[in-house]
Amino acid sequence: DGGITQSPKYLFRKEGQNVTLSCEQNLNHDAMYWYRQDPGQGLRLIYYSQIVNDFQKGDIAEGYSVSREKKESFPLTVTSAQKNPTAFYLCASSISGRWGAADEITEAFFGQGTRLTVV
Amino acid sequence: GENVEQHPSTLSVQEGDSAVIKCTYSDSASNYFPWYKQELGKRPQLIIDIRSNVGEKKDQRIAVTLNKTAKHFSLHITETQPEDSAVYFCAPAGDSSYKLIFGSGTRLLVRP
Repeated sequence: DGGITQSPKYLFRKEGQNVTLSCEQNLNHDAMYWYRQDPGQGLRLIYYSQIVNDFQKGDIAEGYSVSREKKESFPLTVTSAQKNPTAFYLCASSISGRWGAADEITEAFFGQGTRLTVV
Repeated sequence: GENVEQHPSTLSVQEGDSAVIKCTYSDSASNYFPWYKQELGKRPQLIIDIRSNVGEKKDQRIAVTLNKTAKHFSLHITETQPEDSAVYFCAPAGDSSYKLIFGSGTRLLVRP
């Protein structure tokens, strides 16, 4: 089913608690991405990783952390420092992230998303 | 950084009519121009893309046109059907950055 899996689908946490969202892919992709989607809004980039053991902040990284210890895994931790964590989180992967490479498949594949609700 | 704008933010058309969504970008190094479709409650999926050495690409009822000089590209959907109702995102990209930045999205409603 697309080869990229996010779990769980729904997640509830109390305010002030850290929570980790899982993202696993078996597509052998080097690049992975985390996006946040609020109701009626677009996809905002949180973090991205081009290769194992390397990752970069996106446009809204404050209050989030990631790790990339394995090629197939890119977990996202929503910390208590994130002021408004309730949102829909999408993970994506692509072969290399070299979007300008005409000789590569440049499609981004998305997981089914995790809806996080903080109460 | 890259600035990506989509217009309109919402679009309502009668079934059978055409729909056009425009994406404007700022990074002159962009050379890859995809469109993604996200149906309600589902994940975004690539529906069509184009590279900068091509001005237009068609796939059945959908097409993408590129104006690299003016830094915009557009998604065209002809003979719209209710199943075309979704949110559409553009994501211009190139080798100047490994980021994949999406436009704010256009919600298309096709009225039966």
